[in-house]
Amino acid sequence: AQSVTQLDSHVSVSEGTPVLLRCNYSSSYSPSLFWYVQHPNKGLQLLLKYTSAATLVKGINGFEAEFKKSETSFHLTKPSAHMSDAAEYFCVVSDINRDDKIIFGKGTRLHILP
Amino acid sequence: NAGVTQTPKFQVLKTGQSMTLQCAQDMNHEYMSWYRQDPGMGLRLIHYSVGAGITDQGEVPNGYNVSRSTTEDFPLRLLSAAPSQTSVYFCASSYGQGASADTQYFGPGTRLTVL
Repeated sequence: AQSVTQLDSHVSVSEGTPVLLRCNYSSSYSPSLFWYVQHPNKGLQLLLKYTSAATLVKGINGFEAEFKKSETSFHLTKPSAHMSDAAEYFCVVSDINRDDKIIFGKGTRLHILP
Repeated sequence: NAGVTQTPKFQVLKTGQSMTLQCAQDMNHEYMSWYRQDPGMGLRLIHYSVGAGITDQGEVPNGYNVSRSTTEDFPLRLLSAAPSQTSVYFCASSYGQGASADTQYFGPGTRLTVL
């Protein structure tokens, strides 16, 4: 069965510095991987997704993630943090070859320090 | 398009009461799902549907029922509410039968408190 682990429950960075949110997954087949963002009291919005095309995926708001099969990782990065990036981020794995269930990580709350 | 809509936005129930959370989408999406979000737990899948007339259980289905009589609607029923069901509930939809590879569109959520 597939699973996903977000390695940090909270990450704090200063405005203008790089962001790294870590995600490791487990899947028996070739997974689809996603990052979603949730701003306070809002629903979730897709940041980016990997579905077996290019391993470096670019998303909205300057975020990108790299699929590394050998490390079973899909870390989210951004070169320079902005105050508006403060939110909770979810890494998600699914496997259309196995079933249509979608598994969410427990989330990483990103804090931006002025 | 309204996207994914959920009603109500807030609800307070007493233990043992039943209610239905409504979810509708106007994007002709085949795949719809219900999640609950609890602090430190992320989103957990309750039930999902890959098309009208087809539903299946997710990770935490106990205490909840669903049906999918139309493509547009996917109501979630709480049969006998318990305090452990206090949570924020999100409905989501995506396009296509093999839809777990597709972008999910989320509703704004329903905040449920069970006393």
